[in-house]
Amino acid sequence: QSVLTQPPSVSGAPGQRVTISCTGSRSNIGAGYDVHWYQQLPETAPKLLIYGNNNRPSGVPDRFSGSKSGASVSLAITGLQAEDEADYYCQSYDSSLSGYVFGTGTKVTVL
Amino acid sequence: QVQLVQSGAEVQKPGASVKVSCKGSGYTFNSYDIHWVRQAPGQGLEWMGVFDPGRGSTTYAQRFQGRVTMTRDTSTNTVYMEMNSLTSDDTAVYFCARVGASIGWFDPWGQGTLVTVSS
Repeated sequence: QSVLTQPPSVSGAPGQRVTISCTGSRSNIGAGYDVHWYQQLPETAPKLLIYGNNNRPSGVPDRFSGSKSGASVSLAITGLQAEDEADYYCQSYDSSLSGYVFGTGTKVTVL
Repeated sequence: QVQLVQSGAEVQKPGASVKVSCKGSGYTFNSYDIHWVRQAPGQGLEWMGVFDPGRGSTTYAQRFQGRVTMTRDTSTNTVYMEMNSLTSDDTAVYFCARVGASIGWFDPWGQGTLVTVSS
C-alpha cells in the first residue's frame, strides 16, 4: 500500500545521469513533510542515501543528490556506476494516515 | 558504532504468532524511536509502526492494529515486534530501524528477519 509513486525502473550507461521522481499528495509531500531516500542492494537492508530532501549522510558519494520543489521530489545520480545498480525508495510522513509512507520503489539498471 | 541486530529467521504455521527482536547498541537506547518495516518477496517497503522506548508508547499502522504488539526490555536494549494470526501474506523480511527526530528518517536499519508462514 505505497502512497508515494515512483517509476518502476530507470536505466543508464556508465557515466550518465539518471533521475528518479517521487510523487505524493497534499497529505504528505505536498503538506511540506521532508522526503528521504534509501538504496537497497540485493538481499540487504535499505541504507539511508539522502535525508531532509537534499542532505547526504557521511560516506555517501556526492554523485547522489536530492531535490524538492513544492510537491515535486527527485533523486539524481550523476556519473552512474555499476555499483549503483539497486532499488531506490523515497519515504515521507503522511498526516491523513498518521504514519510513515514509502515510495513504490525504482530499480536502477546500469547498461 | 550505532547498530541494530535482529533475531534469526522464523518459520511459522498459519494462525500462529511470531516475535522478532531488535537489539540496539552504540547509543542511548531510550532516546530514539524504533520502527518496524516489512518487505514481502519481490515487493516494496511497508511501514508497520513505531515504539518509543523512552515512554514505552506505540503507534501502529492502521492495517496492523490489533494484530501487532511492540514491547521493550530496557535491561537488554531490545525492542520486540510480535504479530499474531499469521497468514501466508505475512511472509516477508521484517526490518527494525531507528529514527532520531520526531518525524524523520530511518538510520540505521537492522539486518532483517525473514518470517516464512507455511503449513
